[in-house]
Amino acid sequence: GAGVSQSPSNKVTEKGKDVELRCDPISGHTALYWYRQSLGQGLEFLIYFQGNSAPDKSGLPSDRFSAERTGGSVSTLTIQRTQQEDSAVYLCASSLDSLGAFFGQGTRLTVV
Amino acid sequence: DQQVKQNSPSLSVQEGRISILNCDYTNSMFDYFLWYKKYPAEGPTFLISISSIKDKNEDGRFTVFLNKSAKHLSLHIVPSQPGDSAVYFCAAGWGSYGKLTFGQGTILTVHP
Repeated sequence: GAGVSQSPSNKVTEKGKDVELRCDPISGHTALYWYRQSLGQGLEFLIYFQGNSAPDKSGLPSDRFSAERTGGSVSTLTIQRTQQEDSAVYLCASSLDSLGAFFGQGTRLTVV
Repeated sequence: DQQVKQNSPSLSVQEGRISILNCDYTNSMFDYFLWYKKYPAEGPTFLISISSIKDKNEDGRFTVFLNKSAKHLSLHIVPSQPGDSAVYFCAAGWGSYGKLTFGQGTILTVHP
């Protein structure tokens, strides 16, 4: 596709359940990032993939969060045993190793 | 610890006038800065960036100014248009591209 695609666009889950969020970056972009935006907050960095290098996971808030990027393209962010404080918009972005990452529309996660 | 701060949650401007959005940062390691615009239900869109070696960067109606000694940057939009109404985020980074620290955002409303 022409832009970064995220699915689902909305997800409501029960506390304690696991969720998977998907990101399809722009074709050819080597860098992929996950951010989240909680209500009334700025964007919070979660994790960064660059080519075949080990990902920068320094922003993941707990070990319940993990992400992988298969084949240097699609990425999945997994949240295990979801908690209410995990409710946020999760944004994925990709870039061609330069400034100005392109963002997807985000996945709005609501944990009830 | 808010390393990037946008102290004005909202700004209202008349069409045709100048909009000035401000951003302060605390981390002197930041060596590049970006502005993003975000419409509801969409991901942030990259607007303009500036390297720490510059004090001004201009792109059409958008100009970003950087004052390193004051750790302050601003985005000027002139003339402002109703379509500029959105949330504006400033972001800063260093080293590894993509690991950005975002401000909380400023809601800009441009009145016709």
